[in-house]
Amino acid sequence: RKEVEQDPGPFNVPEGATVAFNCTYSNSASQSFFWYRQDCRKEPKLLMSVYSSGNEDGRFTAQLNRASQYISLLIRDSKLSDSATYLCVVGRGNTPLVFGKGTRLSVIA
Amino acid sequence: EPEVTQTPSHQVTQMGQEVILRCVPISNHLYFYWYRQILGQKVEFLVSFYNNEISEKSEIFDDQFSVERPDGSNFTLKIRSTKLEDSAMYFCASSDSTANTEAFFGQGTRLTVV
Repeated sequence: RKEVEQDPGPFNVPEGATVAFNCTYSNSASQSFFWYRQDCRKEPKLLMSVYSSGNEDGRFTAQLNRASQYISLLIRDSKLSDSATYLCVVGRGNTPLVFGKGTRLSVIA
Repeated sequence: EPEVTQTPSHQVTQMGQEVILRCVPISNHLYFYWYRQILGQKVEFLVSFYNNEISEKSEIFDDQFSVERPDGSNFTLKIRSTKLEDSAMYFCASSDSTANTEAFFGQGTRLTVV
């Protein structure tokens, strides 16, 4: 079983739509959780950290369910500029971050 | 805003040649990493470096790879004898702590081995 699994997509949504991405992780000892965004042939950029209580940053909401080992990202009111690949990333204490393969989002005008 | 910088942005090399990829991490960060991403695949960890030594490495980081921090600012990845399958984007990253903190990535070096 892969350590971090994501639906690869692509998700093709119209502008203004709400879209949700899911991610599961296999190691129950994981302690830190992030969503990164990666544009085509660019570096991953931190979108937001994910906390147990859930957190929101503008149009973006992240949730963590430790019991189910499940992380989600919700994007409301999608913009064309949201088109990218969204990477689910998991960390465990002093070990390096583990990346999912990413979910590709295309927002269409 | 402080950032991680990498040079060159693109490197083409012949199979069997040595390459050195360079990185300048964020200045107050203490932990440094190299990751790679083969086209169409996920970002994979290569090596982490702290206090002037390797703290962890993956099975990808075999004897042909080495890392160095030759001075107070640069962090380099050397590939001694490149293979075709080394073609990938190589990302340098840094963080101020390994404990549950995010890493910040450079813009990457695209390595093409021909």
